[in-house]
Amino acid sequence: DSGVTQTPKHLITATGQRVTLRCSPRSGDLSVYWYQQSLDQGLQFLIQYYNGEERAKGNILERFSAQQFPDLHSELNLSSLELGDSALYFCASSPGGGPQETQYFGPGTRLLVL
Amino acid sequence: GDSVTQMEGPVTLSEEAFLTINCTYTATGYPSLFWYVQYPGEGLQLLLKATKADDKGSNKGFEATYRKETTSFHLEKGSVQVSDSAVHFCALAGGSYIPTFGRGTSLIVHP
Repeated sequence: DSGVTQTPKHLITATGQRVTLRCSPRSGDLSVYWYQQSLDQGLQFLIQYYNGEERAKGNILERFSAQQFPDLHSELNLSSLELGDSALYFCASSPGGGPQETQYFGPGTRLLVL
Repeated sequence: GDSVTQMEGPVTLSEEAFLTINCTYTATGYPSLFWYVQYPGEGLQLLLKATKADDKGSNKGFEATYRKETTSFHLEKGSVQVSDSAVHFCALAGGSYIPTFGRGTSLIVHP
């Protein structure tokens, strides 16, 4: 158990809908990362937050947005969903967000868009 | 931009065989290098890391050495076990704060 929690574990929805994925980092970690894992694209970095502020942005679509709240939990919002958005979405956390730090991954949310 | 290339799998071995999974990278500056492992149905977890050239990371019998001259970070283990069966990811993180992962290599170890 990494100490990172993600909810829900599974999500099934329809095209065009909007969903929110939630992540709680390990106690004491200030940085949160979001990733998308799919068979064709592999593990893609989406976005990183550090203590409430966006620190780095990867291949995140404009239909996707995220935020980190004062209690340090984070939410990833996916809107106007398409079939191709079906994937595993992972959240990870680290103490300070530096590139040399180990990231601790949650168990993931599996999203299926029908 | 940064990139990580690792050998495609699956790599299939018998128990107690020697393992090498190749990983090469392209990055500016001096990134930190990582190997993460993903067991079925779980998130990734750190296996080992190295933060500067010539550093050797090691854990659970796995080793990898940060070779800047060949831009490589190959994963090795002298004697694999069935419990090592998982997907192994090579990754780097540098000054841009954007982590980059390889496609992953599936390792299957037979008794």
